[in-house]
Amino acid sequence: NAGVTQTPKFQVLKTGQSMTLQCAQDMNHNSMYWYRQDPGMGLRLIYYSASEGTTDKGEVPNGYNVSRLNKREFSLRLESAAPSQTSVYFCASRDLQNTGELFFGEGSRLTVL
Amino acid sequence: EDKVVQSPLSLVVHEGDTVTLNCSYEVTNFRSLLWYKQEKKAPTFLFMLTSSGIEKKSGRLSSILDKKELFSILNITATQTGDSAVYLCAVNTNAGKSTFGDGTTLTVKP
Repeated sequence: NAGVTQTPKFQVLKTGQSMTLQCAQDMNHNSMYWYRQDPGMGLRLIYYSASEGTTDKGEVPNGYNVSRLNKREFSLRLESAAPSQTSVYFCASRDLQNTGELFFGEGSRLTVL
Repeated sequence: EDKVVQSPLSLVVHEGDTVTLNCSYEVTNFRSLLWYKQEKKAPTFLFMLTSSGIEKKSGRLSSILDKKELFSILNITATQTGDSAVYLCAVNTNAGKSTFGDGTTLTVKP
């Protein structure tokens, strides 16, 4: 069982470059999420998609865009990376009908120079 | 704006001690409160609470929710070095949003 798979696991960018973080889940979950975690902090919600075809802003959406490509896939795009976006990014999914527990990917460590 | 506040931010104890971690929240359309444990990698699920006053228990860990006062506590008894981790509280809303607190870093010394 793959669960939640996110790529790439590591990425170094220069200021102003763009990139897309990919996320896919194989648990038939309705909802998908993107979080960032800075050192010593909790997870801050960037964007979420409560169901296929919908996306909503979280706490820290500025500088990011998302696409819910289909039920399985939810991508996060940085159009013009800034050093303040250096962080660990987690994708997660869940089925609201069950426990409400989030299932996480392994994380993507992004460094912007 | 939804808000989840955890305290203390960090805690150092010795093996065998009992600890209590706190989580308070202010959210619109509360659905459930969850506790996670994070060691180095992604968070792992511990408990989900939806009703006030009903204790959830798993081994040495237990948790309870007070929906009137808008808080939850996570208790760990007879702590072990393997309990060292960041403990995260998250609140789910009916709109499908999950908001996390900043976490409590627990260090258990031998």
